Amino acid sequence: DGGITQSPKYLFRKEGQNVTLSCEQNLNHDAMYWYRQDPGQGLRLIYYSQIVNDFQKGDIAEGYSVSREKKESFPLTVTSAQKNPTAFYLCASRAGELFFGEGSRLTVL
Amino acid sequence: KQEVTQIPAALSVPEGENLVLNCSFTDSAIYNLQWFRQDPGKGLTSLLLIQSSQREQTSGRLNASLDKSSGRSTLYIAASQPGDSATYLCAVNRGSQGNLIFGKGTKLSVKP
Repeated sequence: DGGITQSPKYLFRKEGQNVTLSCEQNLNHDAMYWYRQDPGQGLRLIYYSQIVNDFQKGDIAEGYSVSREKKESFPLTVTSAQKNPTAFYLCASRAGELFFGEGSRLTVL
Repeated sequence: KQEVTQIPAALSVPEGENLVLNCSFTDSAIYNLQWFRQDPGKGLTSLLLIQSSQREQTSGRLNASLDKSSGRSTLYIAASQPGDSATYLCAVNRGSQGNLIFGKGTKLSVKP
C-alpha cells in the first residue's frame, strides 16, 4: 500500500544526544515536510523539501537538521542544540493534497 | 501574515446531531484549504481538499465549504456518530509550492 512510514514510533533521548527520525514515502511525491506538534500549539513547520538534494528552513528550524538524498526519504535529526525537543513529530508529503505519517513521539529524559 | 483560527476549541454533541466546525483565515489570497482529522496519538488523515476556485467539496457525510472573500471555511458533519470523535484541523495553503498554515483544531466528542 502507498503511504508514509515514520520510525521509531516512540523514542527516548538523554539530554545532549542527537537523534534521527526516519520518514519514508512510496507515493512518488516530490515535496516532503517535517512538522512539530505540541499541546495547544498546533502544527509548526520545521523543514521542507521540494526536490531531491534541496531543502528549506521552516518556522522553527533551529536545533534541527535534515537531508534529502533520495526522493523517498527525508530524515530529521534533532540535535542537542534544540532547547525543548520533547514533542510529537509528523512527516508529510504532497502532490496537491498533503498526506501524513503516523508520527514519532520523542521524549527527552 | 496568514493566521488560521478554529472555534470552538472543543465541542460535545449527542449522537445523530448534525454539526458545523468553523475555520477562519486572515488572508484571502489562498491556493487551497484542506481539512484533516486526527485521532489521539496518531497522524493526520486528510478529509477534504478545496481549491480556491471551488465553493464546496463533499465526501460521504462530510461537506466542506469555502468563502474566500470572508476568510471562512466550514466543515459540516451530518448524522454524527461516536466514531467521528477526534480533533479536526483545517490548513490553508499559500501557493502551489507553498506551505500549509494550520489552525489549532476543534476537539469533537460525539456521545452515544
